[in-house]
Amino acid sequence: DSGVTQTPKHLITATGQRVTLRCSPRSGDLSVYWYQQSLDQGLQFLIQYYNGEERAKGNILERFSAQQFPDLHSELNLSSLELGDSALYFCASSSSWTGSYGYTFGSGTRLTVV
Amino acid sequence: AQSVTQLDSHVSVSEGTPVLLRCNYSSSYSPSLFWYVQHPNKGLQLLLKYTSAATLVKGINGFEAEFKKSETSFHLTKPSAHMSDAAEYFCVVSVFTSGNQFYFGTGTSLTVIP
Repeated sequence: DSGVTQTPKHLITATGQRVTLRCSPRSGDLSVYWYQQSLDQGLQFLIQYYNGEERAKGNILERFSAQQFPDLHSELNLSSLELGDSALYFCASSSSWTGSYGYTFGSGTRLTVV
Repeated sequence: AQSVTQLDSHVSVSEGTPVLLRCNYSSSYSPSLFWYVQHPNKGLQLLLKYTSAATLVKGINGFEAEFKKSETSFHLTKPSAHMSDAAEYFCVVSVFTSGNQFYFGTGTSLTVIP
């Protein structure tokens, strides 16, 4: 157990739907990062939050949004889902917003859009 | 701009023989470098990290990597492969600009032959 908790582990939904992925960072970590891992794109950085504020944005689609709550857990919202959104979504946390000491990753949420 | 190139998408070694996974990077800034391992259906686990201290970095499970600035390389090695080393390995560059971002290589799949 890495200390980063992601729920649910698996999610199957239909095209056009909306889902919410949840991440609880490791205790004491203020930064949360979201990544998408797909077969054709590899690991893609989506977005970073630090202590409730957005810090960096990567290749995140406009249909996707995220937030970090006062208790530091984060949610990634995916809407108007398409087949191509099927992927493994990872959350990671770090103690600093520079992340220079590395991240701790969760086990991921596998999203299947049918 | 930052980029990471993992030179081999697949590597096969026999159990007990050395492992070499190659990584070259490009960065406009002084990077931190990491190797992560991902076992099937699991999250990513940090193997080792370089953050401008010693150029030879030792990690978990007998892995080590050497940072060579002149060659812009950060190859991962292990003297003797074990069956449990079979996994996907990711080389990662981290730079801190307005926020922190990780740039992942496309991964190297390591197969260990008994």
